[in-house]
Amino acid sequence: NAGVTQTPKFQVLKTGQSMTLQCAQDMNHNSMYWYRQDPGMGLRLIYYSASEGTTDKGEVPNGYNVSRLNKREFSLRLESAAPSQTSVYFCASSERTSGNTQYFGPGTRLTVL
Amino acid sequence: GNSVTQMEGPVTLSEEAFLTINCTYTATGYPSLFWYVQYPGEGLQLLLKATKADDKGSNKGFEATYRKETTSFHLEKGSVQVSDSAVYFCALSGETNAGKSTFGDGTTLTVKP
Repeated sequence: NAGVTQTPKFQVLKTGQSMTLQCAQDMNHNSMYWYRQDPGMGLRLIYYSASEGTTDKGEVPNGYNVSRLNKREFSLRLESAAPSQTSVYFCASSERTSGNTQYFGPGTRLTVL
Repeated sequence: GNSVTQMEGPVTLSEEAFLTINCTYTATGYPSLFWYVQYPGEGLQLLLKATKADDKGSNKGFEATYRKETTSFHLEKGSVQVSDSAVYFCALSGETNAGKSTFGDGTTLTVKP
């Protein structure tokens, strides 16, 4: 039981490059989330998926797209990376959205030059 | 909308000192309340939770009581250890706001031997 896994762990991009962050969970959870964590700003929700087949914007969706590929996998895509997207990205999952504990992956540390 | 305000850090304590990290919230209805902990280089993990008023969550010597009258969920530990050094996040999840969780900005705790 691996919980929530994320790939890659580290990534360096140049401005304008694209990349996809991968996330998978093996807990049969319905809901999945993408957050970014910046110093002094806590966690900010980028996108979430309440259930398979649905996605919704969070607090800071600009510059990102997501795909809920199936119940297990939820990917985050940066189409044209900008230095402002330098951050640590966390994927999380929960049984459902309301009132449930979220389980987090180990994070992806992204630097955009 | 929902919001969580937690004590600003960083907090530095000596081993065996008493810890309090304050957390207050704004939400409609009866949200569930959480404390998550993040150790260096890792994702967040659940420390404890409470789902209704007057519930006490506890784990690893940490405690927090859901106080509806003061809209608070303060984290306490009677005797901290060096291994408790981490960042602590207060969070809530409720029926409103599509069930999305709201996190505080985090409080960094350093425990010195």
